[in-house]
Amino acid sequence: DARVTQTPRHKVTEMGQEVTMRCQPILGHNTVFWYRQTMMQGLELLAYFRNRAPLDDSGMPKDRFSAEMPDATLATLKIQPSEPRDSAVYFCASGSDRLGEKLFFGSGTQLSVL
Amino acid sequence: QKEVEQDPGPLSVPEGAIVSLNCTYSNSAFQYFMWYRQYSRKGPELLMYTYSSGNKEDGRFTAQVDKSSKYISLFIRDSQPSDSATYLCAIEPGNTGKLIFGQGTTLQVKP
Repeated sequence: DARVTQTPRHKVTEMGQEVTMRCQPILGHNTVFWYRQTMMQGLELLAYFRNRAPLDDSGMPKDRFSAEMPDATLATLKIQPSEPRDSAVYFCASGSDRLGEKLFFGSGTQLSVL
Repeated sequence: QKEVEQDPGPLSVPEGAIVSLNCTYSNSAFQYFMWYRQYSRKGPELLMYTYSSGNKEDGRFTAQVDKSSKYISLFIRDSQPSDSATYLCAIEPGNTGKLIFGQGTTLQVKP
């Protein structure tokens, strides 16, 4: 059963620390998305990649967030330095850019910054 | 104004009730509309997908798009406790592959 794998599932860290979240997209998918979910804002798009190239990261605070795809099987989202307002659930999703293909979401990384 | 607006609820109904969930969107150029369901501590999963206007039915679920009023709806017939989840509407602007989500409506179906 193909699925998007995210690690870690939970992360508690102190303000100022670096946080790295990892995502393994479904094999064969060529689009990868990072979303952040909070009670107040809902699901917000942070960044997305097509064929490993970043296409849109306008939703991401550039001074502290960075997203990369070192290879087709790994996407990373890094926060440095982390702040309490970054506390949220971060979702990775992968898909195909064929018309009508749906996005498959991982189970998310629950981040708490103290 | 947000591109997609959705009442967060919560919405509580008895088992067997018909549920109506709704969203409005701002850009009349949007053509791809989706409904995702999210269970607690899980990622969203696609429930229904609609292109342009009209209705689409899948079992107990019906998705409806009214482009003239920029209004999308999801109807659940004979609701079950297992339908208790958060339902998110989403639009895909211009076949970009990226999705813009509504706030999500939390639904509870009581036995």
